[in-house]
Amino acid sequence: KAGVTQTPRYLIKTRGQQVTLSCSPISGHRSVSWYQQTPGQGLQFLFEYFSETQRNKGNFPGRFSGRQFSNSRSEMNVSTLELGDSALYLCASSLTTGSLNYGYTFGSGTRLTVV
Amino acid sequence: QKEVEQNSGPLSVPEGAIASLNCTYSDRGSQSFFWYRQYSGKSPELIMSIYSNGDKEDGRFTAQLNKASQYVSLLIRDSQPSDSATYLCAVNGVHGGTASKLTFGTGTRLQVML
Repeated sequence: KAGVTQTPRYLIKTRGQQVTLSCSPISGHRSVSWYQQTPGQGLQFLFEYFSETQRNKGNFPGRFSGRQFSNSRSEMNVSTLELGDSALYLCASSLTTGSLNYGYTFGSGTRLTVV
Repeated sequence: QKEVEQNSGPLSVPEGAIASLNCTYSDRGSQSFFWYRQYSGKSPELIMSIYSNGDKEDGRFTAQLNKASQYVSLLIRDSQPSDSATYLCAVNGVHGGTASKLTFGTGTRLQVML
């Protein structure tokens, strides 16, 4: 059974550019969440999608956006990149959403460096 | 007050000993609790989940939950050098029953010494 696939693995972008990251969840998983991980802040929740709808959003500026397609694949976009956006971006998928969540499986992440 | 708190460590234990990792959370309505292990340069890996008060055992791992005290713990028996990693506590908050938000602690770094 394939795991959560994130592409690309590494990205180097210049300040002011925009970037799109992709995530393919485990087959059958309909919930996809995105996290930003930095050494100083740890894992910070960005947003969750379920059945193509954003169900929850973290405390990030509007430059961070995402979407989910009918096949549950998800993309996140960051516009007008800033140096502080350099981080590991992790996608995680789960079978369900809601209060009884059975735990997320993480992808390998995309390491974004903004120069 | 942070939503999920963990001691950052490092927690050093000798090989073969029991490692005890602790976590407290602030959202009383939380219903699902998880422990993830993260090796340096890798993504988090789910190792335990617990949903009701008490203990849950899986191999060398035991998760303990006390909702009244808002406390979750992970015990690792017969610790091995390969257990050396950062352990993340994660709590699923309630959002109208139709959304999930896993909130993570900052993690406890465990070092198992030979």
